[in-house]
Amino acid sequence: GENVEQHPSTLSVQEGDSAVIKCTYSDSASNYFPWYKQELGKRPQLIIDIRSNVGEKKDQRIAVTLNKTAKHFSLHITETQPEDSAVYFCAASKEDTDKLIFGTGTRLQVFP
Amino acid sequence: NAGVMQNPRHLVRRRGQEARLRCSPMKGHSHVYWYRQLPEEGLKFMVYLQKENIIDESGMPKERFSAEFPKEGPSILRIQQVVRGDSAAYFCASSPGMGGLQPQHFGDGTRLSIL
Repeated sequence: GENVEQHPSTLSVQEGDSAVIKCTYSDSASNYFPWYKQELGKRPQLIIDIRSNVGEKKDQRIAVTLNKTAKHFSLHITETQPEDSAVYFCAASKEDTDKLIFGTGTRLQVFP
Repeated sequence: NAGVMQNPRHLVRRRGQEARLRCSPMKGHSHVYWYRQLPEEGLKFMVYLQKENIIDESGMPKERFSAEFPKEGPSILRIQQVVRGDSAAYFCASSPGMGGLQPQHFGDGTRLSIL
């Protein structure tokens, strides 16, 4: 079945630095890739998503890139702030099933 | 504009009892998804429902677990004869279901603890 791998599992950066999280998916039919941020004890919050008809999408300090040939996509956070500290999950989905297959998560810590 | 509402937020059950988790989707959303999250792990898909229909239950255990989304009222995830391994956070998400892939928005979850 569909599988999504996510790296790294933990990431520590200094405030102001950039953070990059990478995911690889197995099902070439996947065509929707959201990213969620989850703070401790809270709900997963959608922060950005990308569809397979585009290669890059940006929203202020957050950007996502997609390489369909290699079947991987990445989250880029620039000018990190302590409030960016959380667990980030990537996911993949395709149109005939709608279900999200999640990666295992990346715990990001931003030190002041 | 209320988001996805789940209740209860916390539920404690003894082994062998039944657990009922409720989810009301966002206004205007007709698609509901249930996911389970074990401590320190990612979210695992369980079931996808539309009003009065189960679309995909491939992630739901065949025994003891059932889900429904009636014409009126919230979606219910029911776990019968709970065991310690059922302890987890159960999240519900909803989407508009207007065709094509739509973003899923999550509720605050129900944290189920089995004694």
